[in-house]
Amino acid sequence: GQQLNQSPQSMFIQEGEDVSMNCTSSSIFNTWLWYKQDPGEGPVLLIALYKAGELTSNGRLTAQFGITRKDSFLNISASIPSDVGIYFCAGSFNNDMRFGAGTRLTVKP
Amino acid sequence: KAGVTQTPRYLIKTRGQQVTLSCSPISGHRSVSWYQQTPGQGLQFLFEYFSETQRNKGNFPGRFSGRQFSNSRSEMNVSTLELGDSALYLCASSLRAGVKDTEAFFGQGTRLTVV
Repeated sequence: GQQLNQSPQSMFIQEGEDVSMNCTSSSIFNTWLWYKQDPGEGPVLLIALYKAGELTSNGRLTAQFGITRKDSFLNISASIPSDVGIYFCAGSFNNDMRFGAGTRLTVKP
Repeated sequence: KAGVTQTPRYLIKTRGQQVTLSCSPISGHRSVSWYQQTPGQGLQFLFEYFSETQRNKGNFPGRFSGRQFSNSRSEMNVSTLELGDSALYLCASSLRAGVKDTEAFFGQGTRLTVV
C-alpha cells in the first residue's frame, strides 16, 4: 500500500529559527494535509493542499504540494514556544488516507 | 459548527473486559475513521465507515470492531482487552463529497488505559 516517509523524526530548535519538514511517498496522492498535535489532544488540521505545485500559507506556516504528487513540505518561520508538538503529514488518494509517522518539534526559548 | 466529539475522554479498564467508544462527527460529514495512537507506533488506521458501511479496514485483530448509525455517529468496540490496547483512540470525520478527497477533522480522542 501507499507509505509515507516523514522526516525528520524530531527537531530541537531555538526560538526564532525556521523549521522545515517533509513527506515523501512512492505513490501519488490527490491531497496533502498537514496536522499538528498537542500532547493529549487530537491532531488539528493546519493546511490542506489539493493541486500539484500548490503553495499555501497559514500565518507563519507554508506548505507545498510537490509537482510529482509524491511529496510535500511544511515550513514554519520564526518559531515560537507554542509551535511545540508533533506535526503529521497525510496523503489521500481516492479517499484512502495515509499518515506519516510525525515530526516531534521542540522549541527552546 | 461543532467539531468532532469523542466520549469518554478517559477510560480505565481491566484486562479481559470490553469497551465501547463513541464518536459524533461534524454535522453533515458522512465518513468516520478510527485510529489508534501509541507512543511508538504513530497513527494506526483501524477502519472507516461511510453511510453506515465499513469501507476500509486496517490490520487489526477481530477484537476491534465498529459500526456507524444512520445519523453518522460511530462507535468502536474492543473486546477481551489486552494491556497492549492502551492507547489514544482518535476519530476523524470528513465530508467525502463525491470523489474529491476531503480534509479529515479529528476529535480530542479517548485515552484508554488497560490495567
